[in-house]
Amino acid sequence: RKEVEQDPGPFNVPEGATVAFNCTYSNSASQSFFWYRQDCRKEPKLLMSVYSSGNEDGRFTAQLNRASQYISLLIRDSKLSDSATYLCVVNMEYSSASKIIFGSGTRLSIRP
Amino acid sequence: GAVVSQHPSWVICKSGTSVKIECRSLDFQATTMFWYRQFPKQSLMLMATSNEGSKATYEQGVEKDKFLINHASLTLSTLTVTSAHPEDSSFYICSAGSGEVYEQYFGPGTRLTVT
Repeated sequence: RKEVEQDPGPFNVPEGATVAFNCTYSNSASQSFFWYRQDCRKEPKLLMSVYSSGNEDGRFTAQLNRASQYISLLIRDSKLSDSATYLCVVNMEYSSASKIIFGSGTRLSIRP
Repeated sequence: GAVVSQHPSWVICKSGTSVKIECRSLDFQATTMFWYRQFPKQSLMLMATSNEGSKATYEQGVEKDKFLINHASLTLSTLTVTSAHPEDSSFYICSAGSGEVYEQYFGPGTRLTVT
């Protein structure tokens, strides 16, 4: 089982739609969670951190469920510019160090 | 926000030569830098963790003698791909963290093509 797994995608939705991605992680000791966005042939950019209580930033809402070990990202009123690959990132704590693990990404395509 | 630069942004080299990639944190001190590799349509794969003043920690399957990492200061880490081969052609991305908040700031990446 992969340490971080994401919806495979691709998601192809019309502009204005609401779309949600899930990401599961295997290490229950994981401490920090993030969603990154990566445009084609570009570096990833931090979209938002994911806090235990859930957090919202404009049209984006991130939630964490520690009991079920997953995080989610909800995008409301999607725009054409939201088309990108969304990466789930988990900071996993091990006995001697912590380790950043990237999910394989979910491709989102917004159509007019 | 924090800015991380990489140089060069792209490089083409012949098989057997070595290539050095620089990663700099421009407006903060990075105690830890990370080096990733990304092949087309695949996710980032962590290659190594670079800690200022100490040896890098390499991920399983990454040859430390082939991918030399030096983190001599709090603002600069370098990755040298030694004796590059065509299969080393990839997108190499560095990221940096301050060590306080575990959020990484990524450089723009270096596209390496080995002919």
